[in-house]
Amino acid sequence: DAGVIQSPRHEVTEMGQEVTLRCKPISGHNSLFWYRQTMMRGLELLIYFNNNVPIDDSGMPEDRFSAKMPNASFSTLKIQPSEPRDSAVYFCASSYRDRDTGELFFGEGSRLTVL
Amino acid sequence: DQQVKQNSPSLSVQEGRISILNCDYTNSMFDYFLWYKKYPAEGPTFLISISSIKDKNEDGRFTVFLNKSAKHLSLHIVPSQPGDSAVYFCAAYYFGNEKLTFGTGTRLTIIP
Repeated sequence: DAGVIQSPRHEVTEMGQEVTLRCKPISGHNSLFWYRQTMMRGLELLIYFNNNVPIDDSGMPEDRFSAKMPNASFSTLKIQPSEPRDSAVYFCASSYRDRDTGELFFGEGSRLTVL
Repeated sequence: DQQVKQNSPSLSVQEGRISILNCDYTNSMFDYFLWYKKYPAEGPTFLISISSIKDKNEDGRFTVFLNKSAKHLSLHIVPSQPGDSAVYFCAAYYFGNEKLTFGTGTRLTIIP
């Protein structure tokens, strides 16, 4: 079975440019999460969706960040304009909500470098 | 507000010995605790979990211990193998809130 698929794996861009990260969750999962990994804060949750509806976006750092989930098989995380401090690895994860253990399945991540 | 804390950023252990990774938490509402393992250039993968109503869960070489009164959990790996070298994240979850809250991770290096 295919796992969570993220693209691009690597993105290098210049400050001020728009960045779009993409995610395809595991088929049948109804919750999707965007995390960001940094040295200082570890894995921090940015936003999560349940049945394509954003439930909690309190982790989104600024208005420059936005996320959408137009259907059950696709989500995007957009940064506009990007800044050097946005450089990090961004992970998408999915789960089936009724699991009571909280286990998430992660993609391989998108490494973003903003120059 | 870091609700899940891993105070040791790194740990080195000799192959064959026991590795002990620690995690502290502040929120007494957590119902489940999970450990994830992460290799470079890969996403985190689930390793083992424990319910808040238990104090121990074992899976092969991996055992997680939970001390609720101290709000502390630990992951024991016995015996440690070179393939265990990775970053380990502690995470916590409570029913009704789908978010997994992660610690900052501990980089484990197994020395051959």
